Amino acid sequence: SQQGEEDPQALSIQEGENATMNCSYKTSINNLQWYRQNSGRGLVHLILIRSNEREKHSGRLRVTLDTSKKSSSLLITASRAADTASYFCATDATGGFKTIFGAGTRLFVKA
Amino acid sequence: GAVVSQHPSWVICKSGTSVKIECRSLDFQATTMFWYRQFPKQSLMLMATSNEGSKATYEQGVEKDKFLINHASLTLSTLTVTSAHPEDSSFYICSANRGTEAFFGQGTRLTVV
Repeated sequence: SQQGEEDPQALSIQEGENATMNCSYKTSINNLQWYRQNSGRGLVHLILIRSNEREKHSGRLRVTLDTSKKSSSLLITASRAADTASYFCATDATGGFKTIFGAGTRLFVKA
Repeated sequence: GAVVSQHPSWVICKSGTSVKIECRSLDFQATTMFWYRQFPKQSLMLMATSNEGSKATYEQGVEKDKFLINHASLTLSTLTVTSAHPEDSSFYICSANRGTEAFFGQGTRLTVV
């Protein structure tokens, strides 16, 4: 399969709680990106982390990257109902330009 | 930031007809663009790599005669779904790279009736 793995596949939390999603990939990468997609809509770019970076923050988002384990995590702190969406990681493999998506995590934040 | 524009955002067509989807890089040149398909509640699957001035490269299992790709200029790639069938109904998204960053179009929702 061309896809990486993401877990959990689905996550349901209360507003105000933190949400953590994990992504694993298969090949060496140039960078890894996280996207959000509301139901049936286009992708919203959240954050990009390069292969030589280990952690990155953007507002309520925190992304980590462990290239030795070929994995990344996305943490959303103090979640809001508006964070309800599907979240995908996507990797650009070293030596190539294709962006390959993980299977995605469907996050549901209950108000 | 770089912008990739995709048109139309949605289209409904009859079985057996063909539909063309356009993907434009608005403020940069893209020798390579990518086409993805997404079925409901699934992830985005890469269909093909569109190469300016040469043939597209298709992923395994994607029919090149059904999904025609043309990349005639450095800012435009088109995907034509030929002889569309209801099972082709899906969300199609294009992307273009500027450097090592990928920029995505808004997507096209195709419904074949």
